[in-house]
Amino acid sequence: GAVVSQHPSWVICKSGTSVKIECRSLDFQATTMFWYRQFPKQSLMLMATSNEGSKATYEQGVEKDKFLINHASLTLSTLTVTSAHPEDSSFYICSAPVVTEAFFGQGTRLTVV
Amino acid sequence: AQSVAQPEDQVNVAEGNPLTVKCTYSVSGNPYLFWYVQYPNRGLQFLLKYITGDNLVKGSYGFEAEFNKSQTSFHLKKPSALVSDSALYFCAVRDMYSGAGSYQLTFGKGTKLSVIP
Repeated sequence: GAVVSQHPSWVICKSGTSVKIECRSLDFQATTMFWYRQFPKQSLMLMATSNEGSKATYEQGVEKDKFLINHASLTLSTLTVTSAHPEDSSFYICSAPVVTEAFFGQGTRLTVV
Repeated sequence: AQSVAQPEDQVNVAEGNPLTVKCTYSVSGNPYLFWYVQYPNRGLQFLLKYITGDNLVKGSYGFEAEFNKSQTSFHLKKPSALVSDSALYFCAVRDMYSGAGSYQLTFGKGTKLSVIP
C-alpha cells in the first residue's frame, strides 16, 4: 500500500517555541492531506485539510495562526505549532487519501514543557 | 452528517477465543466503512474496508468484518484472538457520495482490545 512518512516521531520543546511536523507521501502524490489531533484515550479529531497549492481548510475551533499548515508540493505537507504551550501537548497524525482509502503517518508525540 | 458509534470502550477476551468489536454508523448515502488498528504511540494501520460487493470482508492479520445494511453495523471479528492483537481499534465511515472533502473519514471513539493470555 501507499506509504505516508511523518516525522519527527516525538519532540519535546520549551513553551513559547515553534515546532514543525512533516508529512510526506513517499510513493504517490497527495493533493490533499489531513491533520488530526488525538488526546489520550480518545479518538482522532480532524484539525484541518491541507490542499496543495492553496490555503488549508481548518475545522471549527482550530486556531489558524497557532497551527500553520503548508502544502507546497504534491508530496509534502507541514504542520507548525507556533508559540507552543503545554496544552498543545498531544499526538498529531497526518493522513493522505488514495482512491477509497486513507493512509496514515506514524504520528508525532509533542510534549511542551 | 455522518457518524460512527463504538459502544464499547474496552473489550477483554481470552487468547484463542473469538473476538468481536462493535461498530454502527450513520450516513446519508451509501457508506464506505473501514477498520484501523493503533498500537501505542503509533499511527493508524489499515485492517480492512467495505466499499461494495460481498458483505463479509476479510482483511489483514485474520480479521474480518460483516457489513449489515439493515442494522447499519460493521462489526470487526476474528475467530481466534492473539495476545498481539491487543491494541486500540477504530471504525471509520465515509459517505460514498460526498462532494468536496469527501475523503474525510469520521472515526468512532475507539475500542481498546485486551487479549488475556
